[in-house]
Parts: sequence; structure tokens; C-alpha cells
Amino acid sequence: EVQLVESGGGLIQPGGSLRLSCAASGFTVSSNYMSWVRQAPGKGLEWVSVFYGGGSTYYADSVKGRFTISRDNSKNTVYLQMNSLRVEDTAVYFCARGLSLGASDYWGQGTLVTVSS
Amino acid sequence: QSALTQPASVSGSPGQSITISCTGTSSDVGDYYYVSWYQQHPGKAPKLMIYDVSNRPSGVSNRFSGSKSGNTAFLTISGLQAEDEADYYCSSYTFSSTLGVFGTGTKVTVL
Repeated sequence: EVQLVESGGGLIQPGGSLRLSCAASGFTVSSNYMSWVRQAPGKGLEWVSVFYGGGSTYYADSVKGRFTISRDNSKNTVYLQMNSLRVEDTAVYFCARGLSLGASDYWGQGTLVTVSS
Repeated sequence: QSALTQPASVSGSPGQSITISCTGTSSDVGDYYYVSWYQQHPGKAPKLMIYDVSNRPSGVSNRFSGSKSGNTAFLTISGLQAEDEADYYCSSYTFSSTLGVFGTGTKVTVL
């Protein structure tokens, strides 16, 4: 059974850093592309970052230069390192497994990141 | 990259059919057959309902169907049921960002 479990969210002050983890089971993260998607409270969905199987990574303009996606094949886990956090980064962060370009078929339950002083 | 445009709300009675539109540009919806649709119930993760314009993942009811015409994609829900009440988001691949772009979201209400 495919499962994704996110962790690492919490309350952080503006300018701080957090690392989110997404532990996968039932498949290998190196054989699929993996994404992070976020949803601010009461708002819509936003693609944040993608890690393609070949190793290329992409970011939304809103997080470019501040966030880094990475993958540990030995732990079958994907990470999102978030630096220089801003109030507007407050959101539930989901990790998701890619099925086709722009389509993700399995999602984690999400982890809440709150950036506030 | 601007969000794709969806109606804020659509409603229908049980058993009826409804259609949700998703309007983009020639750089996203109009240029690729990589349009997907997600259903999201409150407090839950999104669920993939349609991918590659009209394909249903295993386990998704055949009451859900997708299509595309020009820069606009459509999700049709036939035989509307109470459990279909949720938010729906479209998404399209876009080469300019190599990520994807979501729609603004549509709240479906079953009357």
C-alpha cells in the first residue's frame, strides 16, 4: 500500500528555518517524481517544488532561493528545507507522488507550518 | 504564473449532472494534454479524480469525466451524490514554470 507521511511542521518565527520530511512506503521515491504543494488557511492549492526522477528540481517563484527539495533514497524520504521563512509561507504542506506531468496520485495528510512572531 | 480560472461555486440536486470549467491560456491548458482535477473535502488532502484531461485513476467513479476544448478544460460529475460536495481544483502543466498551475477552486454544493 502506498503511503506518504509528512512531519516537521510547527510554529516558527519569521526569518527562521524548518525542514519538512515526507516518508514514503509502498514504492520507491527514486522511481517517481515527487512534489510539495501548500495550502494557506482558507486558500487554494499552490505547487511549491518538484523533484524529478532524473534529479532535476524546480521551484515556485515565491520560494526560489529560500526552499530546497532533496531526496534520500536509502530512507525513501523526500525533504523540503525552508529557510528565511515569511508570514506568507504559513500553510499546510502536502507531499505528493507524481503520476503524470501536473498530476499526483498519492498525497500525504499534510503538515502545518505557521510563521508568526 | 497566474492561476487557472474556475467558477467560485456550482450547485446541483442529487442525480443531476454538473460541469465545472477551468480556463487557462495557450501556454498551459491550451498547449498540453496534462490537465488534472482534484477533489478536496474539508481538512483532507486532495484526491486525484482525472489526469491527462480525461483519464480516471483506478478506484475513481465513472460518474466523473474530463474533457478539454481550446484553453478551457471541463470536469463533469453525473448522477450527483451527497458525497460529491467538496472543493474541486484543476491543474495544468506549464512549461514556463515546469511545475504546474492550479485553478482557483470551485465549491460544489449538493442541494
